[in-house]
Amino acid sequence: DQQVKQNSPSLSVQEGRISILNCDYTNSMFDYFLWYKKYPAEGPTFLISISSIKDKNEDGRFTVFLNKSAKHLSLHIVPSQPGDSAVYFCAATGAGSYQLTFGKGTKLSVIP
Amino acid sequence: GAGVSQTPSNKVTEKGKYVELRCDPISGHTALYWYRQSLGQGPEFLIYFQGTGAADDSGLPNDRFFAVRPEGSVSTLKIQRTERGDSAVYLCASSEVAGGQQETQYFGPGTRLLVL
Repeated sequence: DQQVKQNSPSLSVQEGRISILNCDYTNSMFDYFLWYKKYPAEGPTFLISISSIKDKNEDGRFTVFLNKSAKHLSLHIVPSQPGDSAVYFCAATGAGSYQLTFGKGTKLSVIP
Repeated sequence: GAGVSQTPSNKVTEKGKYVELRCDPISGHTALYWYRQSLGQGPEFLIYFQGTGAADDSGLPNDRFFAVRPEGSVSTLKIQRTERGDSAVYLCASSEVAGGQQETQYFGPGTRLLVL
């Protein structure tokens, strides 16, 4: 059973517009969430994180929103740039565990 | 500064052979993690080291897999009697604090293992 789900395998967005990537989780013990970006043949690169005590965290063009009651988080990228084209992974941890549990990823394509 | 490095970047081996994958964490990072990423999947946890000891090896799939970190820095993931199903990208990550739950894990580029 997948504890972290990214239901959209791919997403295409026009350059300059907003990209919204979604992630759902089932384990209510998760209390820390991260987004990683991955280019082909490279390891995942940390992008942004959020603790369960917050509902929003912003870093430049990237904002993560957390809705604990819905067990849902989303990553907003505004404005989207062609260099943002990559696979984005949502990850979660909690309950005293140091393991990250990842979703399957969403491939974002930003079209110039 | 230098990030997490992993060697080799690619490894091709035959079924039944033994392989070793190396990870060099970010200097000063006390926690080290191994993950495995199969095609079309997200990374899956294998093992976590706090210093020299394996604090959590619950993700190792079976006893063919073993990892060491003898001096609390470099780690080696060892796979005996490799099987075709072991083919995947093996990722190493490190974090600053010894297993602080909300410490960001920084990943290396991975070793792509192909078992023929």
